[in-house]
Formats: sequence, C-alpha cells, structure tokens
Amino acid sequence: AQSVAQPEDQVNVAEGNPLTVKCTYSVSGNPYLFWYVQYPNRGLQFLLKYITGDNLVKGSYGFEAEFNKSQTSFHLKKPSALVSDSALYFCAVRDEDYKYIFGTGTRLKVLA
Amino acid sequence: DAGVTQSPTHLIKTRGQHVTLRCSPISGHKSVSWYQQVLGQGPQFIFQYYEKEERGRGNFPDRFSARQFPNYSSELNVNALLLGDSALYLCASSEQGSYGYTFGSGTRLTVV
Repeated sequence: AQSVAQPEDQVNVAEGNPLTVKCTYSVSGNPYLFWYVQYPNRGLQFLLKYITGDNLVKGSYGFEAEFNKSQTSFHLKKPSALVSDSALYFCAVRDEDYKYIFGTGTRLKVLA
Repeated sequence: DAGVTQSPTHLIKTRGQHVTLRCSPISGHKSVSWYQQVLGQGPQFIFQYYEKEERGRGNFPDRFSARQFPNYSSELNVNALLLGDSALYLCASSEQGSYGYTFGSGTRLTVV
C-alpha cells in the first residue's frame, strides 16, 4: 500500500532562513508525489508535484522539492522563509487508483 | 475562471440528521473526488467519480454516499450523523489523465 510520512508535527524557522519540511514515501511502482499548503479555514493549495524527470522540482511561491529515490524522500524546501509562509503543509502520493494519500501534515511557523 | 466551488461553507447539524454537501468542479473537469479532513489530521479519501460513475471508495461506512450529475457537479450525502463526522469536507476536481487535483475551500460540518 502507498503511504507517506511527515515526521515533524511542527517546524520553526526564522524569517530569511532556509526551510525544509520533510516527507518520506512508500510506494510500489513509480511515485507520483505532491505538496499542498493549507491556510486556516481554507482548502488545499497546490505547490508542486514530481511525476518524472529532474529530481529538483520547482513550484509556486518560491518553493522547491527534492526527490531522492534511494532515501525515498521528497522534502519541501525554500531558500528564504517569509512570515507569510506560516501554514500547514501536506505531502501526498497518488496511488494506482488515482486517489491521494496524504501525510499527517507539518505546521510551519516562520518567526519574524 | 471559477475554481472548485463548494456549498455551504459552514453548517451545523444535530446527531442523527442527514446532510448534503455540494461541489461544482472547474469547467471541463470531469473527475470529482471527496475528502474528509478531521481537525489535526490529513485529508482522507472518501469517493471519486468520473463521468458520473463511481471510480473509487475509501474506508467509510455506508452512511456516506455520493453522486455526480450530467454537468459533472457532485453531492456528498451523509446519513445518521455522528459527532465524529464533524470535519472539513473537501472536494477536488481534475481533468482526465491529469496528475493533479484542484481543491475547493471546503465545507466545515459541525455535528452537535
């Protein structure tokens, strides 16, 4: 069965510093991986996806993610964090039936 | 372009009642999926519909049902509401063959 794990419930980072939000996955076959962000009382907003190709994927709002097959990871990164990046981040994998399996989420807090 | 629209945005129901949630996909999207997000958790897959046919069902009781209409809009119905059904219900639409979903802002259901 496909699954993703987000090992950190919360990540704190100072504004201007680089941020990393971790995600590891377990899939049979090729992984289709996604990152979404959720602001309070809102739905999910798409950030980026990995389907195939370059291991470094660039997405919305300056975010990027690095696909690492040997470590089965898909960590979300940003070179310089903004206070407005503070939100709940979800990693997801798409299974063979086209449904998404989400991680438990990581709350990112960027401190001014 | 309008995104995925869901109605109502909020509602409060009493245990044992029935509720209907509605979703209009992005124009041209023929696939609609429903997810339940309980506070503090990642979204959980409920249903997927494509061209008015059920393509997948998550691990939810038979109290949950859905349908898709000829205009590709969708309804999620929940009977005999329980306190544990309190959650944010998210609808997502996608194009056939697409790797990504677009989510609506959700319906916040509170069961008292």
